[in-house]
This record gives sequence, structure tokens and C-alpha cells, in this order.
Amino acid sequence: KQEVTQIPAALSVPEGENLVLNCSFTDSAIYNLQWFRQDPGKGLTSLLLIQSSQREQTSGRLNASLDKSSGRSTLYIAASQPGDSATYLCAVTTDSWGKLQFGAGTQVVVTP
Amino acid sequence: DAGVIQSPRHEVTEMGQEVTLRCKPISGHNSLFWYRQTMMRGLELLIYFNNNVPIDDSGMPEDRFSAKMPNASFSTLKIQPSEPRDSAVYFCASSLGQINQPQHFGDGTRLSIL
Repeated sequence: KQEVTQIPAALSVPEGENLVLNCSFTDSAIYNLQWFRQDPGKGLTSLLLIQSSQREQTSGRLNASLDKSSGRSTLYIAASQPGDSATYLCAVTTDSWGKLQFGAGTQVVVTP
Repeated sequence: DAGVIQSPRHEVTEMGQEVTLRCKPISGHNSLFWYRQTMMRGLELLIYFNNNVPIDDSGMPEDRFSAKMPNASFSTLKIQPSEPRDSAVYFCASSLGQINQPQHFGDGTRLSIL
């Protein structure tokens, strides 16, 4: 059974520091891995999607890597800002219909 | 463009009552997913549809839960009878139905069963 783990559960950094968020999964038979952001009282917003054949994806200050063989992904957020404060969740796609298995998330606070 | 629309945003009802949650996916999306989020269990997939047909309902916790998608622009998740342990935030998401397309989430329905 696929299990997705995110460490740490919470993280606080001063503005300007780089953020590093980790995600691990137990079964490497995935179609892709996605990173989402969730703000309080809101739904999830897709940030990056890395296909199983890819090693990384970049969007602005965000960069996500994928090492499928070791079951790991890392999300880097460069030069963090208070507006980056949110919960970040990773999820793996486990079937061809798009079924997602989520981690519990990392709650990030960026202090001014 | 309108995103995924869920209603109601909040629902408070007494145990034993029937609860109906509604979702309108993004126009043109042909896959729809229902999730439940709690502090204890995180985000769980309940059921998903492709072209209005249920594909996998193995995440539905009990027979008290049912979901329908009568057409491409509307889906419902029903709980009957409701119990306090059903209290959670319920999310609906839709996608283009291709494997490397992201899911787009609604803002959720916060359900409280007293």
C-alpha cells in the first residue's frame, strides 16, 4: 500500500531564507508527483506536477525534484516571502485515472 | 474562468439528518473527485468519476455515503443518516482527465454534525 510522508510537519523561517520541503513515498510505481498549496479555509492550488519520467520542474521561485527510485521529492522555494505562508502538500498519482494519494502536509510560516 | 464551485460553504446539522453537498466542475473537465479532509486522517479520496461514470468508490467510508454525477456539470455527495464523525471539510476537484493534468479544487464545504 502506498504511503506518502512529509517531514517536517511544520516549519518557520525568516523572510528571505530558502525553504526546503521533503516528501517521501513507499511505492515507486507512480504516474507523477504533484505539489499543492493550501491556504486556511481554502481548497488546494496546484503548484508543480512532475511526470514520472522527469527529474525536476520549475516555476518562478519554485523548484521541485523527483527521485522515483528512492521514493523522494523535494520542493525548494527561493527567497521566501510572508505570502508563502501556507500548508504545502505533496501527492502521488497511483492509477491511470488520476487517483491521488496525499501526504499530511508541511505547515510553513515565513516571518517578516 | 470560473473554478470548481461547491455549495454550501458551511453546513451545520443535527445527527440523523440527510446532508447533500454539491459540486460544479470546471467546464470541459471530464474527471471529478470527492475528498474529505480531517485533522486526524488528512486528505482522503472518497470517490471519482470519469465522463460521469464512477470509477472507484473504495474510499467511501460506509453505505451511508453516496455520490452521483447525473451530467458533466453537476455532482452530489449525500450522507444519510449523518453522524458526528462525518464532520470534516469535503472538497470536490476536477481535471481534464488526462494523466499529467493537475486537479483543480473547490473551496470546500465545512460540515459540522451536532
